[in-house]
Parts: sequence; structure tokens; C-alpha cells
Amino acid sequence: DGGITQSPKYLFRKEGQNVTLSCEQNLNHDAMYWYRQDPGQGLRLIYYSQIVNDFQKGDIAEGYSVSREKKESFPLTVTSAQKNPTAFYLCATSNSAYEQYFGPGTRLTVT
Amino acid sequence: RKEVEQDPGPFNVPEGATVAFNCTYSNSASQSFFWYRQDCRKEPKLLMSVYSSGNEDGRFTAQLNRASQYISLLIRDSKLSDSATYLCVVDSSASKIIFGSGTRLSIRP
Repeated sequence: DGGITQSPKYLFRKEGQNVTLSCEQNLNHDAMYWYRQDPGQGLRLIYYSQIVNDFQKGDIAEGYSVSREKKESFPLTVTSAQKNPTAFYLCATSNSAYEQYFGPGTRLTVT
Repeated sequence: RKEVEQDPGPFNVPEGATVAFNCTYSNSASQSFFWYRQDCRKEPKLLMSVYSSGNEDGRFTAQLNRASQYISLLIRDSKLSDSATYLCVVDSSASKIIFGSGTRLSIRP
């Protein structure tokens, strides 16, 4: 089955802890993205990567870090420096026509 | 001015009605345009790409107006299952894609 997987679906952490969200794809797409969505709001771009070993900051990269060591994987780390980490995190890939395909998302709650 | 702007709604229409949304974009160099659908607490899903000549997929019609820099989505004979948030998406630069905040649509019986 081709697609994008994100795990876990729900994640709970204590304030001050770093947490890494997983995103794996088998669509063979070069470009991958991380977005954050807050209740009733649109998607905001955190980081994106067009190719392995390369990534760029999006609009709200502060407090986040990523790596792209493999084409299939683009993990996102939410660090303790992120002031409001509780949100719905969505990973996406895109094909050469810029059509984006999303994983099911991870709901992160930090208390 | 936001790069991509949509009327947030909500649009509340009866089943069977025709409803249309517009979305304006600021980058005249944009080449790729899309409509996505997002159900509550789910990920967005691609509804349709928008081509220069306009395109139709069943009850859905998308159009692009480059001169006025907007795209539109028309839904005919709306169904209860069409209730969702519709996101307008435009490419801003190479590999950077901008999502609008979405228009909420609610279809009532």
C-alpha cells in the first residue's frame, strides 16, 4: 500500500521534554513537509525538504528541528524551546506537479 | 496582505443547493493551484487541481482567473457529505506551497 504514515496518532509529553514525531513515506516523492495546525486555524509550514540531506525553514521553524537522512523519512523534533507545542502536526509529500499528500497526523499535547 | 486569502465562512446551505467559494492569491508568478478538503480532525485530502482552462470532476468545477488572481470552486447539487472545510492551495515559489485558512461548508438536510 502506498502512502504516508505518522506515528503515534496521539502523543502526550511534559513541558521541557523534547519529542520526535515520525513521518515515513513509500510514494517515492522527493519533497516532504511538516505543518502545524491549531484549532480552527489553517496550516502553517514548519520545515520542508526537497531532497535528501537538505531542508529549509518554513514560516514557524523556531523551536523545531528536522533531519532528512533517507528519502523515505522526515522526522520532526519538537524541542523544549517551542513555546506552544500543543497542536496537530501534519506531514506531507509532494510529487513533481506540487500535489501534496498528507499523513494522518499526530496530535501532540504538552502539559 | 496574505499570500492566499479565503472567506472563512461558514457557508450553511441546504442539500441540493449550488455553492461557490473564491480564493485570491498575491503572487502573480504562481503556476500551480489546488483545492483540498479537510474533514474535522482529519488530514487534508486533494480534491482537485485547478487548470488554466478550468476543470470539472462530477459535481465539482474549478476555475482559474489569472487576470484577477483568484481561483474558484463550484459545488452543484450539494450533499450532506460535502460538509467540510475547503482549502485553497497555491504555489509560492519552487517547492513552497501556501495553504489558505479554509472555508467551512455545512450542508443542512
